[in-house]
Amino acid sequence: AQTVTQSQPEMSVQEAETVTLSCTYDTSESDYYLFWYKQPPSRQMILVIRQEAYKQQNATENRFSVNFQKAAKSFSLKISDSQLGDAAMYFCASQDSNYQLIWGAGTKLIIKP
Amino acid sequence: DTGVSQNPRHKITKRGQNVTFRCDPISEHNRLYWYRQTLGQGPEFLTYFQNEAQLEKSRLLSDRFSAERPKGSFSTLEIQRTEQGDSAMYLCASDGQAQETQYFGPGTRLLVL
Repeated sequence: AQTVTQSQPEMSVQEAETVTLSCTYDTSESDYYLFWYKQPPSRQMILVIRQEAYKQQNATENRFSVNFQKAAKSFSLKISDSQLGDAAMYFCASQDSNYQLIWGAGTKLIIKP
Repeated sequence: DTGVSQNPRHKITKRGQNVTFRCDPISEHNRLYWYRQTLGQGPEFLTYFQNEAQLEKSRLLSDRFSAERPKGSFSTLEIQRTEQGDSAMYLCASDGQAQETQYFGPGTRLLVL
């Protein structure tokens, strides 16, 4: 069975600085997708970025980028120029061939003004 | 609004009562998913539909839970004889065949007294 581990329950960063959130996963599948979602307080789950496992190039979306290390089964999220609106729970998830998402426990990101 | 919608947003019920939640996916999406999220945790997969067919059910989905998607559009999730342990956020998501990225609704927060 797939598992996803986020070892940082909480992270804090000064506004405008850079922060990296960690995620490791385990899967026996050769083709899969990895995602980072954010969930602001009392608001819905929003896709931040996704990575297709067969692509070697790391995905980037504006201030958000990933460091995908397939052999190490590591998928970290880097947020550059942190903004107050980035404060949220961040969840790492993997998607298997049955389409269901397997989720980590989340990392609470605090932005210090 | 072309996003995923869920109703009701909040539901308070007494133990032993039945509740039903509705999810309307993005209109062109043929896959629909239900997840459950308890406080401070990542979501857990419950079940998913491709069109009107229910293709996968988690063992978390006890016989008190039933989900339907009768015409391949909206879906309902019913919980019979609710228990206090059913208190959680119930999330619905949808995706289309080409996208493989799930988009989430705002969730239904259930409190069982």
